[in-house]
Amino acid sequence: EVHLVESGGGLVQPGGSLRISCAASGFTVSWYYMSWVRQAPGKGLEWVSIIYSNGNTYYADSVKGRFTISRDNSKNTLYLQMNSLRAEDTAVYYCARDYFRYYMDVWGKGTTVTVSS
Amino acid sequence: EIVLTQTPGTVSLSPGERATLSCRASQSVSSNYLAWYQQKPGQAPRLLIYGASSRATGIPGRFSGSGSGTDFTLTISRLEPEDFAVYYCQQFGSSPQTFGQGTKVEIK
Repeated sequence: EVHLVESGGGLVQPGGSLRISCAASGFTVSWYYMSWVRQAPGKGLEWVSIIYSNGNTYYADSVKGRFTISRDNSKNTLYLQMNSLRAEDTAVYYCARDYFRYYMDVWGKGTTVTVSS
Repeated sequence: EIVLTQTPGTVSLSPGERATLSCRASQSVSSNYLAWYQQKPGQAPRLLIYGASSRATGIPGRFSGSGSGTDFTLTISRLEPEDFAVYYCQQFGSSPQTFGQGTKVEIK
């Protein structure tokens, strides 16, 4: 059975940094596209970033230059390094298996990131 | 960027009734790269429909998707108690991929 488990969320001050992780089981992360999607409190879903199976990465304009997506194939784990955090980055962050930009079929339960002083 | 507009924002229905949810795109969504998700409070989204009309694995037959170009519809033929949730459409046809703002289906 396929699973994704996010971790690493927490409270961080504005301007600070945080790295969140997404451990996969039941499939190989590097064979698929993998995305991060976030949801601010009481709001809808916002796509954040994607890493392709060939390693190419793409970002939403709202996080470009501040966030970096990566993966560790040996650990079968996806990461999101978040720098220069702002209050508006406060959200639940989900990782999802992005089936070659056709649909997202496997989702983690999410990890909460709160940016506040 | 393609903007997806979902209507209505909220719909109040009774179990057994039919729900019809709309998702309109600001530009044509190529090759029907349009998916629908269900999200319940405190849970992650769940894939329902992909390719505008294909049901995901394990999704009951009362859920169906239709449409093409700029107009898409999710229909729930007879609402079950577990179907009351928020529904999102998402397009992958143009970068960046984008979500609609969601339609809440609430119990009347």
